[in-house]
Amino acid sequence: NAGVTQTPKFQVLKTGQSMTLQCAQDMNHNSMYWYRQDPGMGLRLIYYSASEGTTDKGEVPNGYNVSRLNKREFSLRLESAAPSQTSVYFCASSRTRTETQYFGPGTRLLVL
Amino acid sequence: AQSVTQPDIHITVSEGASLELRCNYSYGATPYLFWYVQSPGQGLQLLLKYFSGDTLVQGIKGFEAEFKRSQSSFNLRKPSVHWSDAAEYFCAVGVYAGGTSYGKLTFGQGTILTVHP
Repeated sequence: NAGVTQTPKFQVLKTGQSMTLQCAQDMNHNSMYWYRQDPGMGLRLIYYSASEGTTDKGEVPNGYNVSRLNKREFSLRLESAAPSQTSVYFCASSRTRTETQYFGPGTRLLVL
Repeated sequence: AQSVTQPDIHITVSEGASLELRCNYSYGATPYLFWYVQSPGQGLQLLLKYFSGDTLVQGIKGFEAEFKRSQSSFNLRKPSVHWSDAAEYFCAVGVYAGGTSYGKLTFGQGTILTVHP
């Protein structure tokens, strides 16, 4: 049982480049989330999808877009990367929007 | 808005010693409370959670936490620390306002645990 998987594990971008972070879960969860983790700030929610077909903004959505491709997959896109988006990105999922969230291993992104 | 404070950024203990990691929250009602652990280069793993009922919660790896409403605290404890417990620990508060709102999870800043042999 893989749980939550994320690709890539590590990425280096130049300012202005775009990329998509992929996330998939095999737990048949309805809700999925994207967080960023920065030193000394814990995790902050970027976007979430309460159920298939819906997405909503979290605390820090600026500069990002998301797509809930199907029940399993939830992608995060950076259209024009900025150095301020250098961070570790975590995807999470939960059976419903009010239950425990389970996290993927993270994607480390460096924007030069 | 809810908030979570982990007062200790870094704690060092000797292997075999007891451990207590502090977590204080601010929220008007009874929140849902979580402790997660993150090993270097890894994702977050759930240690334990409190939704309701018994205020002393048992988790994995020998950890426990106690919800104290009067102190707005949810401290994590372990009676005897192992070298493999070295990691970063995050306390989180979940708020569910009902309706179509999502389960907003607010994290503390994290406490790094170092274990000396």
